[in-house]
Amino acid sequence: SQTIHQWPATLVQPVGSPLSLECTVEGTSNPNLYWYRQAAGRGLQLLFYSVGIGQISSEVPQNLSASRPQDRQFILSSKKLLLSDSGFYLCAWSVTRGSGNTIYFGEGSWLTVV
Amino acid sequence: DAKTTQPPSMDCAEGRAANLPCNHSTISGNEYVYWYRQIHSQGPQYIIHGLKNNETNEMASLIITEDRKSSTLILPHATLRDTAVYYCIVRVAFYNQGGKLIFGQGTELSVKP
Repeated sequence: SQTIHQWPATLVQPVGSPLSLECTVEGTSNPNLYWYRQAAGRGLQLLFYSVGIGQISSEVPQNLSASRPQDRQFILSSKKLLLSDSGFYLCAWSVTRGSGNTIYFGEGSWLTVV
Repeated sequence: DAKTTQPPSMDCAEGRAANLPCNHSTISGNEYVYWYRQIHSQGPQYIIHGLKNNETNEMASLIITEDRKSSTLILPHATLRDTAVYYCIVRVAFYNQGGKLIFGQGTELSVKP
């Protein structure tokens, strides 16, 4: 069965510090990968998606970047965090086949920028 | 992707069926109806999806009206652990056709003993 791992689960970072959140998917190949963010009390916002190694699409202009160095690895980064980067970050995956192309989520990472 | 409208909150008694409505009057012919739920501080959990036929799995049933402009998610015997925010989403199946998963505000379901 497929599993998705995301880490760290929680972190507190000072303003201006760098960020690296990692996500890996197991049990499938060539998945579509996604990073979402959920600010407190709000719906999920799609940040990045990737359909293959080195292929990244950005949904909103922001202080963050994403990379996909391997087929099942997706990394969310920032060189200098802002207070507004605080939130709940979710990695997700899907496979384009058959009907539905269901997207499955990891457990999320809580980021607090102080 | 079409927009959806859901009531912001609902209550349900434990052991009873929870019926969560969703309106999607501008849905296109190739858009699926998806349901997810999110328990506080966890990632969203996939529940069920359908195109035009009613669907059932171990978690829930999905009833889609014949004109596809609305649907209802049914949790047949709600438990306290079903308390969560439920999201109804319509989207094209394939991502390279623009099938993004856009979450709205959802319905906050409270199951009460």
